[in-house]
Amino acid sequence: DAGVTQSPTHLIKTRGQQVTLRCSPKSGHDTVSWYQQALGQGPQFIFQYYEEEERQRGNFPDRFSGHQFPNYSSELNVNALLLGDSALYLCASSPQGTLANYGYTFGSGTRLTVV
Amino acid sequence: DAKTTQPPSMDCAEGRAANLPCNHSTISGNEYVYWYRQIHSQGPQYIIHGLKNNETNEMASLIITEDRKSSTLILPHATLRDTAVYYCIAPIYGQNFVFGPGTRLSVLP
Repeated sequence: DAGVTQSPTHLIKTRGQQVTLRCSPKSGHDTVSWYQQALGQGPQFIFQYYEEEERQRGNFPDRFSGHQFPNYSSELNVNALLLGDSALYLCASSPQGTLANYGYTFGSGTRLTVV
Repeated sequence: DAKTTQPPSMDCAEGRAANLPCNHSTISGNEYVYWYRQIHSQGPQYIIHGLKNNETNEMASLIITEDRKSSTLILPHATLRDTAVYYCIAPIYGQNFVFGPGTRLSVLP
């Protein structure tokens, strides 16, 4: 049973460009959350998607947007990239309504470098 | 999330028990305590979680104080592969996890 799958694993982009990161949740999970982890820090919550809608959002600008598809997979889009957007982007999935019991399953992340 | 406080770093000798403390004095009655760990450049890995009672699984044991204001994660026989950053999280029910800086555990040969 595959866990959370993220693609690509590594990415290099230039300032001002746009990037799309992809995530397939663990089988049986319908809720996807995205986190940004800068070097040496803990993951920071970006937003969560359930039933194809953004349900919760952290303190991130509108340059960060997302989408969830009917098969529960998700995309994270970042526009007008800044050097400070360089980070490990983590996708986490869970079954809706049971977060308190089961917590999250995390993917291995996408390492984004902005130059 | 209930605010959690962890020591920034700890060392442990290989083969010995590693005891990682966490304070969560503002935790409410229905908030679980979760422990995750993150090995360098990988995604966080679930270890264990609990509400009131002590818990044990194949990876670790979780001891929660009776007043639920603190907990201890115990790795009974630490190995070099247990070197990682360990996060203690007490999310508000239904809300997302807020990660602090965690405890960097170094298992020494």
